[in-house]
Amino acid sequence: SAVISQKPSRDICQRGTSLTIQCQVDSQVTMMFWYRQQPGQSLTLIATANQGSEATYESGFVIDKFPISRPNLTFSTLTVSNMSPEDSSIYLCSGYRGEVLGTEAFFGQGTRLTVV
Amino acid sequence: QKEVEQDPGPLSVPEGAIVSLNCTYSNSAFQYFMWYRQYSRKGPELLMYTYSSGNKEDGRFTAQVDKSSKYISLFIRDSQPSDSATYLCAMNNQGGKLIFGQGTELSVKP
Repeated sequence: SAVISQKPSRDICQRGTSLTIQCQVDSQVTMMFWYRQQPGQSLTLIATANQGSEATYESGFVIDKFPISRPNLTFSTLTVSNMSPEDSSIYLCSGYRGEVLGTEAFFGQGTRLTVV
Repeated sequence: QKEVEQDPGPLSVPEGAIVSLNCTYSNSAFQYFMWYRQYSRKGPELLMYTYSSGNKEDGRFTAQVDKSSKYISLFIRDSQPSDSATYLCAMNNQGGKLIFGQGTELSVKP
């Protein structure tokens, strides 16, 4: 499977600030996704990062709060804007290539965000 | 009701035990069933996937799907301390979104 490099691996941020998380895949992927994982909770899909166009957001997530870019087939960023303590979580990017979602999906190591 | 339910554990077993991890789901349209393993401070990694009902074996791991009961299982034989991780089930229908269970934390004691 491909390798995803995600950075930063962790950060502690002040409320009201923004953090941009980067995700680099070592080969082209069909789709890229951003997830949030809170302690004891399942992975929640934030959005699908579309190459060259606006991301597709899931219910409960909006572009103003989580702007996403995907300028090419191997790179994407997620920004967590105007952060509050409720945004403290692990953020994961995922890449996928193949015909069936999930069967060939792979993940970055995650960004552990703490907002104080 | 959540689409996918998974007992969060934690589950603690002695080395060499057989481990059974389970998920139930409500959406009969799901056709692909995955198990991911996530070590602490790492991203999930795909262990196995199964299409529709049936069994699939890979070394010490066996995945079972019973679509009639909407129930999937992962069995780990001869469990090792290195198997200590969180195990997440996930499922989808072709072209649909991947839906995860909340994960079961497993600890295998030497």
